[in-house]
Amino acid sequence: DAKTTQPPSMDCAEGRAANLPCNHSTISGNEYVYWYRQIHSQGPQYIIHGLKNNETNEMASLIITEDRKSSTLILPHATLRDTAVYYCIVREAGANSKLTFGKGITLSVRP
Amino acid sequence: DTAVSQTPKYLVTQMGNDKSIKCEQNLGHDTMYWYKQDSKKFLKIMFSYNNKELIINETVPNRFSPKSPDKAHLNLHINSLELGDSAVYFCASSQPYNEQFFGPGTRLTVL
Repeated sequence: DAKTTQPPSMDCAEGRAANLPCNHSTISGNEYVYWYRQIHSQGPQYIIHGLKNNETNEMASLIITEDRKSSTLILPHATLRDTAVYYCIVREAGANSKLTFGKGITLSVRP
Repeated sequence: DTAVSQTPKYLVTQMGNDKSIKCEQNLGHDTMYWYKQDSKKFLKIMFSYNNKELIINETVPNRFSPKSPDKAHLNLHINSLELGDSAVYFCASSQPYNEQFFGPGTRLTVL
C-alpha cells in the first residue's frame, strides 16, 4: 500500500506556481520521497526526489519538512502542458526497490 | 532515440488466447520492470528483473511470465487471457538506486 496521502485534485493558473502537497507521516529514516507525473495516456515521468534536504532541478523544487512527515512539490511557472496526475511516492533505499503508486493528485492548469 | 520502447501499443484479443508484449531499453540499465495500470488508474508493479534475474514478483498469477533474453529486453507473456487482464501495461528500466524510466505503455483489451 502507498505510504502517502495527497488531495485528489487542484488547479492553478498558467504562469503561476503550483504547490502540490503530500503527507507521508510514517516515512522511515532510510526512505526517499519521489515525485512522478503521468500526462494523459503516457508513461509516468520522473520529476525529482529527496531524502531530507530540499532539492531543485530544471523541472521542479521539492521541499521536505524537517520532521520529514510531509513535502511539497513546486512547479515554479506552470504551463498547460503540466496538466497531469502527480504521484508522491515513498521509496525504500535499496538498489532496485519498487515504486508503490497511490492515487496521486490531478493538477489542472487553466489558461 | 527512444529510451524505453514497447510493442505493440494496442493489443485486442479474445479471452483464452496467449499474447506477448515486448519491451526494450537502450539506456544500458541493469534493471527492468513491468507495471499494470487498471481501469481505475491504479498503477502497480508486477515484476522486476536485474541482469536477467527475477528480483520482484508481486503475487501475479502464473499465467503471467516475464522473460528476459538479455538485460536490454524484458518481455511479458500472458497465457489464457481473462477479461480482468484488460489494462495498460508499462515497462520501465533503471540503474541501481536511480529513477525509473517508463515506456509509453501497451493497452491490452480482452474481449
